[in-house]
Amino acid sequence: AQKITQTQPGMFVQEKEAVTLDCTYDTSDPSYGLFWYKQPSSGEMIFLIYQGSYDQQNATEGRYSLNFQKARKSANLVISASQLGDSAMYFCAMREENSGGSNYKLTFGKGTLLTVNP
Amino acid sequence: ETGVTQSPTHLIKTRGQQVTLRCSSQSGHNTVSWYQQALGQGPQFIFQYYREEENGRGNFPPRFSGLQFPNYSSELNVNALELDDSALYLCASSLYGYGYTFGSGTRLTVV
Repeated sequence: AQKITQTQPGMFVQEKEAVTLDCTYDTSDPSYGLFWYKQPSSGEMIFLIYQGSYDQQNATEGRYSLNFQKARKSANLVISASQLGDSAMYFCAMREENSGGSNYKLTFGKGTLLTVNP
Repeated sequence: ETGVTQSPTHLIKTRGQQVTLRCSSQSGHNTVSWYQQALGQGPQFIFQYYREEENGRGNFPPRFSGLQFPNYSSELNVNALELDDSALYLCASSLYGYGYTFGSGTRLTVV
């Protein structure tokens, strides 16, 4: 089974509108972290937001917020007030704290290509 | 605070050759991980280094190997290149798995 599932290969949004990118995960580890990264065409992975499995509140970072529903194992990224520069690939990733020797390994989904239209 | 730097940015190699990719860690970080990102896919974990030793490996064959140096910089070596090795190779440094910082990657093409 895939550990990180991103079901939206592509999404379109109008500039200044909000958009939600979906991510579901699968783990039996009670301690884990969830990340969202943005990857523009240049290739660099840009960190956006982090949510720990024990965090009581949903994470927020500026225009980014994470809708964390632990029971549903979902960690959707919400981008408010979209900008043209938000057009990029977006990846959801998970770090499991008890994955043996690869404690620091990130497992990524296949990504969602977001296009912001003017 | 310097970020993660990878070199070269682009590389073309012939099948069967060997290649070395380099990565300098962000200042203050002690762990380096390497990822392979095929076109249209998410990054796949290759391995990670901590204290100059490999301490985690993904589902990659032994012809993928690496080094970490005392200054926490790292190399990824791939022997006997295959066409399927064509990908973007990303390096990420962290401090005990926190504060991951990625480089811009090396785009490898095997012909």
